[in-house]
Amino acid sequence: EADIYQTPRYLVIGTGKKITLECSQTMGHDKMYWYQQDPGMELHLIHYSYGVNSTEKGDLSSESTVSRIRTEHFPLTLESARPSHTSQYLCASSDPVTANGNTIYFGEGSWLTVV
Amino acid sequence: KNQVEQSPQSLIILEGKNCTLQCNYTVSPFSNLRWYKQDTGRGPVSLTIMTFSENTKSNGRYTATLDADTKQSSLHITASQLSDSASYICVVSDRGSTLGRLYFGRGTQLTVWP
Repeated sequence: EADIYQTPRYLVIGTGKKITLECSQTMGHDKMYWYQQDPGMELHLIHYSYGVNSTEKGDLSSESTVSRIRTEHFPLTLESARPSHTSQYLCASSDPVTANGNTIYFGEGSWLTVV
Repeated sequence: KNQVEQSPQSLIILEGKNCTLQCNYTVSPFSNLRWYKQDTGRGPVSLTIMTFSENTKSNGRYTATLDADTKQSSLHITASQLSDSASYICVVSDRGSTLGRLYFGRGTQLTVWP
């Protein structure tokens, strides 16, 4: 079992509300990621971090923002939610790369519905 | 354009039967290929990871194969169980950047019937 946790698991909020999705891992991983996944579709990288105070935007444009103040914590924030933000958000972290690759551990996901 | 294509899109089999899922990719330069299992409403869980030099890897009843020449991989599930019902996702990583960018397939939705 991966020691990476996301809260909330499910959330329904109104348009225009601010929301922060929490993600924490206890494995000491430097690399962390946020993915967005719509039902039946592939995962899309929206943010990643190589370590404390390091954040980068991913492949998919997103109106969300992230921060990395502590190694174990990588929250994602939407300042003003819209119905188009309705999706599943998956947090992940990875151990260091070796010659055999590395393992990426995913959280259970946060299902966000904006009404 | 780097892509990962999986087939079939969905599959229904009876409990106890075997099945094989396919993954074709165009990602280059290739670094590694992973198979993940994603239960409905849950996060993906790693099954196998293979680098360029590996052509088969097993994890219990799951066996993955890789043909780096034809850029194809398969995931074979033996003696299926009801708990195997899930989406199986093929993920290919390139080595063209320090991030080791991941390319995700859309998954094969497997349903195992009793």
